[in-house]
Amino acid sequence: AQTVTQSQPEMSVQEAETVTLSCTYDTSENNYYLFWYKQPPSRQMILVIRQEAYKQQNATENRFSVNFQKAAKSFSLKISDSQLGDTAMYFCAFINAGNNRKLIWGLGTSLAVNP
Amino acid sequence: ETGVTQTPRHLVMGMTNKKSLKCEQHLGHNAMYWYKQSAKKPLELMFVYSLEERVENNSVPSRFSPECPNSSHLFLHLHTLQPEDSALYLCASSQDYGVGGVYGYTFGSGTRLTVV
Repeated sequence: AQTVTQSQPEMSVQEAETVTLSCTYDTSENNYYLFWYKQPPSRQMILVIRQEAYKQQNATENRFSVNFQKAAKSFSLKISDSQLGDTAMYFCAFINAGNNRKLIWGLGTSLAVNP
Repeated sequence: ETGVTQTPRHLVMGMTNKKSLKCEQHLGHNAMYWYKQSAKKPLELMFVYSLEERVENNSVPSRFSPECPNSSHLFLHLHTLQPEDSALYLCASSQDYGVGGVYGYTFGSGTRLTVV
């Protein structure tokens, strides 16, 4: 079964500090794509970062970076210099590159950035 | 302008009512999706349209009826809903159905539906 597990339902961090959100997944495919989405109180799901499984180099987008461990099927998100606007639900997801291109989602981690 | 616009933002309806949710995108995407987001559950894919043709219907009850009149607009018609249908309904789009999903989806802000 294809699954995504986010083991931290809630987290908090002080403004300007660094926080890491964990994600593990399960798929039998070798080629797939991983995502972190952010859903702030405005409710719009926003793509934060994307990783191609066949690339060993970890993706980065400004203050957001990932630690992708393919053998361990782990895909954690690091947020550096946390800002109040980072307060949101964060969802980890993946999609296979083969025929079954259905996004598989985790349950999310609620992140609160405190002033 | 988010690129994907959903209306209404909130909707309260009785179990015997008929209502519609609307989604439109101005991104030139060819695929559009309806998702249901409920507390403590992963996002559930309901329907997928590619070039105005329905390509996926994930065992959704017939009280939900999608419509895609053109590649920019997507509707979800609701009738005889149950209280357990209360949820956030999200619309999304991607460049294409097959390949486009691997580049990520663009989402709207959703319609918060309450069935009383």
